[in-house]
Order: sequence, then structure tokens, then C-alpha cells
Amino acid sequence: GDSVTQMEGPVTLSEEAFLTINCTYTATGYPSLFWYVQYPGEGLQLLLKATKADDKGSNKGFEATYRKETTSFHLEKGSVQVSDSAVYFCALIGDTGNQFYFGTGTSLTVIP
Amino acid sequence: DSGVTQTPKHLITATGQRVTLRCSPRSGDLSVYWYQQSLDQGLQFLIQYYNGEERAKGNILERFSAQQFPDLHSELNLSSLELGDSALYFCASSVGPTGLTYEQYFGPGTRLTVT
Repeated sequence: GDSVTQMEGPVTLSEEAFLTINCTYTATGYPSLFWYVQYPGEGLQLLLKATKADDKGSNKGFEATYRKETTSFHLEKGSVQVSDSAVYFCALIGDTGNQFYFGTGTSLTVIP
Repeated sequence: DSGVTQTPKHLITATGQRVTLRCSPRSGDLSVYWYQQSLDQGLQFLIQYYNGEERAKGNILERFSAQQFPDLHSELNLSSLELGDSALYFCASSVGPTGLTYEQYFGPGTRLTVT
């Protein structure tokens, strides 16, 4: 069945460091891929998405490219801030559009 | 603030009991989704309703049931509770019937503790 595997955390970085959180997926057909962010005490918020191969999603300095050849959707940011500290979830939805599959989440802490 | 509200925020109950979690979607949203977030299983999709009808089912146990009412709010009923049901339960809503085109907006969650 469909699934998402993402990098184990927690990840601790200094402010202005480069961030990569790896995400790979297994799916039949042509899924859409998402990154969600969960700040402490809050629900998930959509960070970015890509709906077809080679699409790049971007938002708030974060970006991820849908790579069908490597079945990956890695999240990157060039210079993280303390305010980026949160849990990041990679997710996919299959082309039926009926069910989301989430990764286990990666906790990021950015220290000043 | 996503516009999705969930009540209660916290719930503590004993094994074997039954609880009801409530979700009010954003104004205008017709779909409601329920998710369970636990430490060992991560975030799992339970069930989706669209305009009062069940649309998709995920890993929802038979002891759990949900419904969406004519005013579009939804309730998730959990019965014969077990320790393993302790988790954060999220509700999300979207305008349309599928998650493909329509972004899901998540509520703040209900934390259920079963003792």
C-alpha cells in the first residue's frame, strides 16, 4: 500500500544553518505530495505541496521538489530561524484523493 | 487560527468508557476528516465525511464511529476505551470532497488520556 518514510529526528540546528529533512514515498499511480508543519500546541498547517513530477513546492523559504525517479520529496531551507522550530510531516495522497498517508514526523529545534 | 474548532481540549477517562469528540469545520467547508496521532503509530487517517455522507475510511477501529450532522459539525465516538486509545485526535476540514484539490485545515486537537 501507499506509505511515506521520513527521516528520524530529532534534529537540532543552529540559527542560519541549512536544513534538509528527507522524505521518500511508496505509491501506485501519481500521488500528490505535501509537507505539513505542527507548531507546539497547534494543529498541522500546510507548508507546501507538489502535485506532479518535477514540481517544486515552496513557502516561507522552504522548498521541496517532487522526484519521481527517486520517489522522494525532501524538504530544504537555506537558513533556518528559531521560529522554524516545529515538527514537520511529509504526506501523500493517492490519485483517488481519498486518503492521506503521513510520515512519522521530524522534530526540528533551532537554537540561537 | 485555522477556523476549525474542537472540543474538548483535554479528556481523561477510564478504560471501558465511551467518549464523544466534537469538531466544527471552517465556515463553508463541507468535508470533515478525523485523524489519530499517537507516539507509536504516528498520524493516522481515520475517516472522512463529505456533506453528511461517509466518503473515505482509513484505519478506524470498529469500536470507533463518526457522523456528520446537517449543520456540518462532526462527532467522533470512541467506545470500550483501551489504554492504547490514548492519543491526540485531530479534525480537519476542507471545502471539497477530496484532499487532492482542496487544502485541509486542521483543528488544535483533543488530547484523550485513558487511565
